[in-house]
Amino acid sequence: AQKITQTQPGMFVQEKEAVTLDCTYDTSDQSYGLFWYKQPSSGEMIFLIYQGSYDEQNATEGRYSLNFQKARKSANLVISASQLGDSAMYFCAMRDTGSGGSNYKLTFGKGTLLTVNP
Amino acid sequence: EAQVTQNPRYLITVTGKKLTVTCSQNMNHEYMSWYRQDPGLGLRQIYYSMNVEVTDKGDVPEGYKVSRKEKRNFPLILESPSPNQTSLYFCASSFTTSGEQYFGPGTRLTVT
Repeated sequence: AQKITQTQPGMFVQEKEAVTLDCTYDTSDQSYGLFWYKQPSSGEMIFLIYQGSYDEQNATEGRYSLNFQKARKSANLVISASQLGDSAMYFCAMRDTGSGGSNYKLTFGKGTLLTVNP
Repeated sequence: EAQVTQNPRYLITVTGKKLTVTCSQNMNHEYMSWYRQDPGLGLRQIYYSMNVEVTDKGDVPEGYKVSRKEKRNFPLILESPSPNQTSLYFCASSFTTSGEQYFGPGTRLTVT
């Protein structure tokens, strides 16, 4: 079973509108972390937002917010007021202990390609 | 400037010719990791290191080696590259395992 599932290979949004990118995860750890990264066409990986499993409030960073629903094991990224520069690949990732070891691993989803239309 | 550097950025090589991709960070991070990115598969972890002399396998370690003799450096070694190792490789580091991972610019490797 996939540990991180991003069900939307591609999404389109009109400039200035909000968009939600879906992410569900699977872990048996009680302590874990969830990340979102942006990868523009230039290739670099840009950290956007982080949510810890014990954080009671949803994380926010400027126009980015993370809709964390622990019972449903979902960590959707919400981008408000989309801009043309938001067009990129977006990856959801989880840090947990993997298969029961003491070391932590970061596992990525396959990504969602977001296109912002003018 | 805080950064993760990788060299080379682009490399074309032939099957079986040993190569090393270097990774260095100047943030005194303990945790470092290597990923490969392939179309439709996202990023997959190759190896990671919790600290000097502490390394462990990620999800796709076959055909790769790493070492962590110094805190700042985490080279990726391909002893006998094969065409299926053609990929985009990223090095990343973070202060702790729970922190934001800073990524290098990537190394695009082609093995013919």
